[in-house]
Amino acid sequence: KQEVTQIPAALSVPEGENLVLNCSFTDSAIYNLQWFRQDPGKGLTSLLLIQSSQREQTSGRLNASLDKSSGRSTLYIAASQPGDSATYLCAVMGGADGLTFGKGTHLIIQP
Amino acid sequence: DADVTQTPRNRITKTGKRIMLECSQTKGHDRMYWYRQDPGLGLRLIYYSFDVKDINKGEISDGYSVSRQAQAKFSLSLESAIPNQTALYFCATSDFPGSSQGTQYFGPGTRLLVL
Repeated sequence: KQEVTQIPAALSVPEGENLVLNCSFTDSAIYNLQWFRQDPGKGLTSLLLIQSSQREQTSGRLNASLDKSSGRSTLYIAASQPGDSATYLCAVMGGADGLTFGKGTHLIIQP
Repeated sequence: DADVTQTPRNRITKTGKRIMLECSQTKGHDRMYWYRQDPGLGLRLIYYSFDVKDINKGEISDGYSVSRQAQAKFSLSLESAIPNQTALYFCATSDFPGSSQGTQYFGPGTRLLVL
């Protein structure tokens, strides 16, 4: 059974810092990996999708990497802003069914 | 307009009642999913559907049933609600996961409280 772990569970940093969120998964046989953002009481917003054959994806200040063989992904956020405060979720599509999610990293950017 | 909509957005019901949560999408995707989110447990898959005639159980399907009325509509029913089904429920859609369009798009969620 696929398991997804996110470290750290919570993170608080001053505005302007670059930061890295980590995600690991136990079964490397995946179709893709997605990073989501969730604001309190709200739905999930997709940030980046990395196909299993890809090594990284970039969108604005966000960069996600994937090392499928070691079962790891990182989400890099450059020049963090208070508006980046949210919970970040990592999820993998391991088979033909749905996503398996980590429990998330709760991020606070201090103004 | 939102691509994935869910109704109702909030619902309070009593133990033993039957309720239905509805999901509609305008993205033209064949694949639709239902998840629930619980504090400390994350999101877990309840049911998924690849098309109108293909419905599959997910990790935690006990106590739930689904109906795929059309490509764009996927409903989740709680036949006899119990308090531990209190959670935030999300519907999602996607294209084939192996494609570059494999992103899953989520609805805004339905917050359900079972008393």
